[in-house]
Amino acid sequence: QVRLVQSGADVKKPGASVKVSCKASGFTFTSYAFHWVRQAPGQRLEWMGWINPDSGDTKFSQSFQGRVTLTRDTSANTAYMELNSLSSEDTAVYYCARGYPHRSGGDTYFDHWGQGTLVTVSS
Amino acid sequence: EIVLTQSPATLSLSPGERATLSCGASQTLASSHLAWYQQRPGQAPRLVIFDTSVRASGIPDRFSGSGSGTDFTLTISRLEPEDFAVYYCQDYGGSLFTFGGGTTVEI
Repeated sequence: QVRLVQSGADVKKPGASVKVSCKASGFTFTSYAFHWVRQAPGQRLEWMGWINPDSGDTKFSQSFQGRVTLTRDTSANTAYMELNSLSSEDTAVYYCARGYPHRSGGDTYFDHWGQGTLVTVSS
Repeated sequence: EIVLTQSPATLSLSPGERATLSCGASQTLASSHLAWYQQRPGQAPRLVIFDTSVRASGIPDRFSGSGSGTDFTLTISRLEPEDFAVYYCQDYGGSLFTFGGGTTVEI
């Protein structure tokens, strides 16, 4: 079955960077896009960007452009999200999600989600 | 950028009742690429409906989606205890993605 397993919770200081991993299993890793979504405490879901795991092409929300990097390791079936210049406003649960039915993220809905990774930014 | 507005913010109902959730778009959605997700407390979102009206795998038939243009609806015909959760609509037409603010369905 499709599974997305994310790395554990992390605590960072303001100005630092965080890297979250998303290990996929149960399907061909390079066949479907990976999206990243975050949810601040009590807030709505906020889409951050997607990566084509085959080509490495990416697309980002303007809100995160220049501050987020999406990468993947096809040999490890793992997608990564790195967010830099952290502030307290980045305290949130970060989710990866599979974009279906294309490897390019456009026009894909999120059919499977990781369990989420809590990132806390505090001095 | 399309803005999705969900109403009501909170829906207070009893098990067995019908729930009608609305999602309004700031401009006409060019495609039927509207999805609904369910999020229970402390859990990741779960896909309920895609392409406006298609139920995701494993979703019971008491869930239905409809709409077009700027107005979309998720209906739960008879609420079960496990249906009390937050529901988000999402526009996924194109290469950018937008979520609504959510509707909480509470007992």
